Amino acid sequence: ETGVTQSPTHLIKTRGQQVTLRCSSQSGHNTVSWYQQALGQGPQFIFQYYREEENGRGNFPPRFSGLQFPNYSSELNVNALELDDSALYLCASSPGQGPGEQYFGPGTRLTVT
Amino acid sequence: SQQGEEDPQALSIQEGENATMNCSYKTSINNLQWYRQNSGRGLVHLILIRSNEREKHSGRLRVTLDTSKKSSSLLITASRAADTASYFCARTFTGRGSTLGRLYFGRGTQLTVWP
Repeated sequence: ETGVTQSPTHLIKTRGQQVTLRCSSQSGHNTVSWYQQALGQGPQFIFQYYREEENGRGNFPPRFSGLQFPNYSSELNVNALELDDSALYLCASSPGQGPGEQYFGPGTRLTVT
Repeated sequence: SQQGEEDPQALSIQEGENATMNCSYKTSINNLQWYRQNSGRGLVHLILIRSNEREKHSGRLRVTLDTSKKSSSLLITASRAADTASYFCARTFTGRGSTLGRLYFGRGTQLTVWP
């Protein structure tokens, strides 16, 4: 157990809808990263937040947005859902924005129909 | 591209045998990390090796890094059925425009260990 929690575990949405996924970081961690993992693929970096500011972004459109709160919990919001957004969404926390070990949550499985 | 690949894509062995997985990459790294994922769940960090290190051990795990060949390998000795999982290497890079803590993953190796 890493101490990182995510909710919900599973979610089914319809194309065009909006979704919010939540992540609670490990105690003392001020950095959170979000990854998308399609079936049979490795995780792809969406973005990273450090002390409530976006600190870097992968190749994802603006309809993927995030927030980090003062307690370092985090949200991933996806607007105008597309079928290709179906994936496992993983958040990972770390004690800083450096290149060290990251602590992953169990993920949220999103299905878009 | 910052991507790399693991090979083989799938590996099937008997309990007690050793499992070796390889990871290649294309540009200079800051460090390379190996993660394990059980059946579509979260990833668990196994080991981190820095670019100036050549070998690290952790229990039954041994990781090597050859920066001249831009490759790494993960060896699991005396494998057990509980080692069945997907294994990913993740690279971090330094350099202009890169996010320091961003992990670049390949597609992983699916390891199956039969009792």
